[in-house]
Amino acid sequence: EVQLVESGGGLVKPGGSLRLSCAASGFTFSRYTMNWVRQAPGKGLEWVSSISISTSYIYYADSVKGRFTVSRDDAKNSLFLQMNSLRAEDAGVYYCVRDLLGIGDSWGQGTLVTVSS
Amino acid sequence: DIQMTQSPSSLSASVGDRVTITCRASQGINNYLAWYQEKAGKVPKLLIYGASTLQSGVPSRFSGSGSGTEFTLTISSLQPEDVATYYCQKYYGAPFTFGPGTKVDIK
Repeated sequence: EVQLVESGGGLVKPGGSLRLSCAASGFTFSRYTMNWVRQAPGKGLEWVSSISISTSYIYYADSVKGRFTVSRDDAKNSLFLQMNSLRAEDAGVYYCVRDLLGIGDSWGQGTLVTVSS
Repeated sequence: DIQMTQSPSSLSASVGDRVTITCRASQGINNYLAWYQEKAGKVPKLLIYGASTLQSGVPSRFSGSGSGTEFTLTISSLQPEDVATYYCQKYYGAPFTFGPGTKVDIK
């Protein structure tokens, strides 16, 4: 069974940093592109970042480019999102999503990020 | 970047009704379009990909159609468990933009 478990969310002040992690199990992690998708409170889904197999390509939404960095550790079956210079509008639930040819076929339960002074 | 829009933003229908949601892309995306269902307090769930291919385990009352710039998600007979927000998403190259969502509830 595919499992994706996010961690690392919490309360951070504007301008602060946070590192999210996603622990994957139940599938061969190294063979999949992985995504981060977020959802602000009461709002819709927003794609944040994608990292391909072997980190061959990485993409970011314009809203986070230059502030967020996605990475992966295939040896540890883990996905990461380093978030710097956080803003109030970055608050929300961050989902780790397995990518099957561009499609989000498995989602984690999410981790909540709160940005407030 | 390609923009995604959905209509309506919300709808209310009776159990058994046929429900149709439209998703439009600002440029052609072939059939690289997925639909997701998000129930309150739950994780989004993939319903349809390739514009019309039903994900395994999804009830057959759900169907998708379209290509290019206009797509539809149809629920042939609305059930109480279908109350949710539905999102389309393009995966024809980054950014993998979601539509703003359509909230469906029971009249």
